[in-house]
Amino acid sequence: SAVISQKPSRDICQRGTSLTIQCQVDSQVTMMFWYRQQPGQSLTLIATANQGSEATYESGFVIDKFPISRPNLTFSTLTVSNMSPEDSSIYLCSVETGGAASPGELFFGEGSRLTVL
Amino acid sequence: GENVEQHPSTLSVQEGDSAVIKCTYSDSASNYFPWYKQELGKGPQLIIDIRSNVGEKKDQRIAVTLNKTAKHFSLHITETQPEDSAVYFCASAGGYGNKLVFGAGTILRVKS
Repeated sequence: SAVISQKPSRDICQRGTSLTIQCQVDSQVTMMFWYRQQPGQSLTLIATANQGSEATYESGFVIDKFPISRPNLTFSTLTVSNMSPEDSSIYLCSVETGGAASPGELFFGEGSRLTVL
Repeated sequence: GENVEQHPSTLSVQEGDSAVIKCTYSDSASNYFPWYKQELGKGPQLIIDIRSNVGEKKDQRIAVTLNKTAKHFSLHITETQPEDSAVYFCASAGGYGNKLVFGAGTILRVKS
């Protein structure tokens, strides 16, 4: 498994502002992902954070709204830009552990709960 | 793309009884089926998973069964305890892009 730390754990933000969420892993991992969990809903993949290159976004998510950085194999950031109340969600960092089996096991951080007023 | 359906959406059981949550998937190429438990205010925790080369896997009070022909898999919790109360998510991967697709979740309440 992997220990994943996210900051902030929660925040209340004003409409129109941006917030950056940090994700730190205790070991080097190849695959890092960002998920969104809207209130009472399931998990939706936002993007794959690629080390040294641009993130790969899923349908419905764009780089201008959710810029992602991945400077090394243990750290990533997700920015939620120009926030609106519809962005109020839990944002989760996850990592896939390696090994022979594919896909590998996916572990999650505790999440960052954002409330946009 | 892959579609995962999960039932029931809520489940209430008496402490000590068993609980069963079922999921179906659509992509026959899927080969990995994890289950996650999410407690209030926390991130999802991987509790058990199964790959397509086995039909059943057990870990103490938790078991998962897989029927590849019917494309469904189930989570079984025996001797439920109040601390089993949480939201449970199934997921599948292995098809297009190898990305996990999650079910809608099941709220499990264990009454003492």
